[in-house]
Amino acid sequence: EAGVAQSPRYKIIEKRQSVAFWCNPISGHATLYWYQQILGQGPKLLIQFQNNGVVDDSQLPKDRFSAERLKGVDSTLKIQPAKLEDSAVYLCASSMVGGKAEAFFGQGTRLTVV
Amino acid sequence: QKEVEQDPGPLSVPEGAIVSLNCTYSNSAFQYFMWYRQYSRKGPELLMYTYSSGNKEDGRFTAQVDKSSKYISLFIRDSQPSDSATYLCASGQGAQKLVFGQGTRLTINP
Repeated sequence: EAGVAQSPRYKIIEKRQSVAFWCNPISGHATLYWYQQILGQGPKLLIQFQNNGVVDDSQLPKDRFSAERLKGVDSTLKIQPAKLEDSAVYLCASSMVGGKAEAFFGQGTRLTVV
Repeated sequence: QKEVEQDPGPLSVPEGAIVSLNCTYSNSAFQYFMWYRQYSRKGPELLMYTYSSGNKEDGRFTAQVDKSSKYISLFIRDSQPSDSATYLCASGQGAQKLVFGQGTRLTINP
């Protein structure tokens, strides 16, 4: 079974530039998450989708971050404009629907803002 | 106060030692307690999870939850160099909407 695919693996941008990350979840997983993991910290949930609808985006900095999952499969997370403090690993995860369904993580995209 | 607190370590032990990793949480509504292992430059992978209180054992790994004290533990017996990683505890009302601890970096020395 293929895992959660993310691209790119690494990205370096200057502050105030924009950047986009892509995620392809495990086939059949209706729930998709984006997490931000700052170096030395645990992942923090940014946004959760179920199919193409947003379930929770309470911790997404909406003035600069946006995410979409238009067809209920792939998802894109965008940052515009980027700040130095956005340097982190952005992890995508997916799961089946249901309270006990575990989430599977991708390898992440490591973003460095200089 | 963070909802899930974890000692970041680092923790370094000799091969074969018993390792104890611990977290505390503050939200009484949390029912799911997970341990993830994260190797360098990789995404977290689920190691074990427990629903509500009690113990769960899987090979060399044992997870314990004490809801009365809001304490979560992971024990690793006969630790191996391949166990060297960052261990993340996570809790939530569901297995999906999780709050993660800071992670403990563990090194097993041959």
